[in-house]
Amino acid sequence: SQQGEEDPQALSIQEGENATMNCSYKTSINNLQWYRQNSGRGLVHLILIRSNEREKHSGRLRVTLDTSKKSSSLLITASRAADTASYFCATDPGGYQKVTFGIGTKLQVIP
Amino acid sequence: DAGVTQSPTHLIKTRGQHVTLRCSPISGHKSVSWYQQVLGQGPQFIFQYYEKEERGRGNFPDRFSARQFPNYSSELNVNALLLGDSALYLCASSSPMLYGYTFGSGTRLTVV
Repeated sequence: SQQGEEDPQALSIQEGENATMNCSYKTSINNLQWYRQNSGRGLVHLILIRSNEREKHSGRLRVTLDTSKKSSSLLITASRAADTASYFCATDPGGYQKVTFGIGTKLQVIP
Repeated sequence: DAGVTQSPTHLIKTRGQHVTLRCSPISGHKSVSWYQQVLGQGPQFIFQYYEKEERGRGNFPDRFSARQFPNYSSELNVNALLLGDSALYLCASSSPMLYGYTFGSGTRLTVV
């Protein structure tokens, strides 16, 4: 079963524009993570935000977390063609409970 | 330092056969998790092992089993393969969950 649900499921933007992806989840979490996947390869970890954090930055990435609304967003600024990939949020309840992935947002950045 | 390595990268099996997939975690990582990703879907949790003990199991039938060795490498075994087992099988290591998972490139299993 999927814990997180990304929205939108697909997004197409022009190079240089910003891309925003949202993730909603159902149960309480210890942390939330975002991953990128290129064409059916392994996932690459982008950023981890803890339940007591509200915002985190890493390069062109900005992640927000609202635990009261059980939602998170990933913003990619000044997008590049190389950002074309699927992006997944993953929720970690903590301890040895499973990390659960959403269904992903497929981002296409048009040069 | 090598990342998470998985073998083989691709595999074609016939229905009813058995398959073993292998994973070597990043050096120093004691936790290995296995995920199944069907085309167009997010990864689905299968197993988590930590210090050679099973710490979590997803909603998969008993045909799926795994183990972790003293060097923290891991094997995923699937018996009596079904067409629906065709997927990308991903291995991830972490130690502990401070910075997220590091994934291998996966094993693409096709059951015909």
